[in-house]
Amino acid sequence: GAVVSQHPSRVICKSGTSVKIECRSLDFQATTMFWYRQFPKQSLMLMATSNEGSKATYEQGVEKDKFLINHASLTLSTLTVTSAHPEDSSFYICSAPLAGLNTGELFFGEGSRLTVL
Amino acid sequence: QKEVEQNSGPLSVPEGAIASLNCTYSDRGSQSFFWYRQYSGKSPELIMSIYSNGDKEDGRFTAQLNKASQYVSLLIRDSQPSDSATYLCAVNSGTYKYIFGTGTRLKVLA
Repeated sequence: GAVVSQHPSRVICKSGTSVKIECRSLDFQATTMFWYRQFPKQSLMLMATSNEGSKATYEQGVEKDKFLINHASLTLSTLTVTSAHPEDSSFYICSAPLAGLNTGELFFGEGSRLTVL
Repeated sequence: QKEVEQNSGPLSVPEGAIASLNCTYSDRGSQSFFWYRQYSGKSPELIMSIYSNGDKEDGRFTAQLNKASQYVSLLIRDSQPSDSATYLCAVNSGTYKYIFGTGTRLKVLA
């Protein structure tokens, strides 16, 4: 199947610092990517939709100035958690749909576990 | 509000039995349906996709879709302890509009 790669898989940072997470589609182009957050024992929560060449679309309640998304190319989207605080500690997962506007299978990256001290 | 509903479980089945996971969705216009498996601490992994009414089989997995009743199910035959995970149902409800259920936790008892 299609491969989506995410990096880093784990990051520990101090409160107040910024952390960047990369999401790459390795063998297909992705004009759209999705960023999710998942707290322990909870379901996936969609944070934002990343669009190549335009601004990301954020879900209600997600601060766009805190979670900066840049979709720089057809294979790369980045999520930057700015001024991270302990409550931002979570499992962040990106995904990209394979071609097909209404049928595309969604493939997930490996996830990035963020711990803010 | 478009929804995808799943029983949270846990669903416990003995090793070798058939595990049956169910999902209902609210948007009649949905066109594609997916089952994902998520192990604890890992990201979701695509198991099956189904687009038309009926059954689709892949190894020990069978996905069933009934658009009239708005449900999709996943059967796992000869369940193994390694199948123990959370199974997420997802529905594509429009152009890149993926709606996920909250997942059903499956426990296969050795």
